[in-house]
Amino acid sequence: GNSVTQMEGPVTLSEEAFLTINCTYTATGYPSLFWYVQYPGEGLQLLLKATKADDKGSNKGFEATYRKETTSFHLEKGSVQVSDSAVYFCALSRPGNNRKLIWGLGTSLAVNP
Amino acid sequence: EAGVAQSPRYKIIEKRQSVAFWCNPISGHATLYWYQQILGQGPKLLIQFQNNGVVDDSQLPKDRFSAERLKGVDSTLKIQPAKLEDSAVYLCASSLGTSGRAETQYFGPGTRLLVL
Repeated sequence: GNSVTQMEGPVTLSEEAFLTINCTYTATGYPSLFWYVQYPGEGLQLLLKATKADDKGSNKGFEATYRKETTSFHLEKGSVQVSDSAVYFCALSRPGNNRKLIWGLGTSLAVNP
Repeated sequence: EAGVAQSPRYKIIEKRQSVAFWCNPISGHATLYWYQQILGQGPKLLIQFQNNGVVDDSQLPKDRFSAERLKGVDSTLKIQPAKLEDSAVYLCASSLGTSGRAETQYFGPGTRLLVL
């Protein structure tokens, strides 16, 4: 079946540290891949996405590359800020599946000053 | 552009009571989604509407949950009767409904339900 596996949290970093949150997936065909973020007290919002192999999504200093050979879509940021503290969700949608999203469990990130 | 609106933001009820949540999607969005998010888990799709038709309700517990989107705009999700395990955040999202699988879903702030 289709699934998304994220690294478990919580992840705690100091400001300006390098961030990696691992995400791997299992899917038939060629899914689209997403990272959504949920800031404290707010709703989920799209952070970035990629629709085909080797695509790189980027936004707000975050990047993720669609790696079909390793079925991965790891989220990275070179220098995190306190304001990046949030829960990050990796998700996929398959072609012909009514845009239904399959979600990971989420990874909580806390950035300390 | 106004975002997805949801109300109420918080609700506390006793088990076996009923509760209803309301969602108003972004104007012009044909697709509307209701999710249940239990603490520590990813969102679980309960029901997806395309205009006023149901596209997917395979994970909706139909013995107690119901949802409607009568005019293809706003939507109501109801639980009757509520159980303790229904305590969760109920998220509404919408999308244009015209593009392919990479379409962005826009989420409301959610309704936090506590069943005692």
